Amino acid sequence: AQKVTQAQTEISVVEKEDVTLDCVYETRDTTYYLFWYKQPPSGELVFLIRRNSFDEQNEISGRYSWNFQKSTSSFNFTITASQVVDSAVYFCALSDPSGYSTLTFGKGTMLLVSP
Amino acid sequence: NAGVTQTPKFQVLKTGQSMTLQCAQDMNHEYMSWYRQDPGMGLRLIHYSVGAGITDQGEVPNGYNVSRSTTEDFPLRLLSAAPSQTSVYFCASSRYIGQGDYGYTFGSGTRLTVV
Repeated sequence: AQKVTQAQTEISVVEKEDVTLDCVYETRDTTYYLFWYKQPPSGELVFLIRRNSFDEQNEISGRYSWNFQKSTSSFNFTITASQVVDSAVYFCALSDPSGYSTLTFGKGTMLLVSP
Repeated sequence: NAGVTQTPKFQVLKTGQSMTLQCAQDMNHEYMSWYRQDPGMGLRLIHYSVGAGITDQGEVPNGYNVSRSTTEDFPLRLLSAAPSQTSVYFCASSRYIGQGDYGYTFGSGTRLTVV
């Protein structure tokens, strides 16, 4: 069965600190997609990144970076120089194995950035 | 381009009442799905559809009913509301075109309270 584990329930940092959110996944599929979403206090789900299993290049987008390692089934997310606006719940998700019609989500990590 | 539209945004129901949460997308996506979000649980799949006339159950389908008569619409029906169905509901649509091209879009959510 598919599973996504976000072991960190809540993280608190002070502004300008770097923070890494962990995501470990389980799947039998050889081709799959991984996602990160941000859910700010307003409640909507904001797409951050999609990564497919055959592309192991790390990604950097501004202060955000993602480290995908198939060998350890991990897809970790790092925010550099965190800001108060980064305070949100972050979800990691994995595409389903039978056609990509649904996602399996982790339980989320709440990030609180204080000034 | 509206994306995925959910209505209503907020709803309060009495135990035993029925209602329909509406979801519509204008991106011609084949796949549509409903998730519920509860504190500390992440998003869990209720029902999904891979095309008009085709639906299937997800992880937590009990108490909900769906149908997909058109590509655009995927309503979620609560047959007899219970306090355990108090949650935030998200509708999503997706399309898998091929490797490297996979779109997944969420609606803004419906916050449902059953008293």
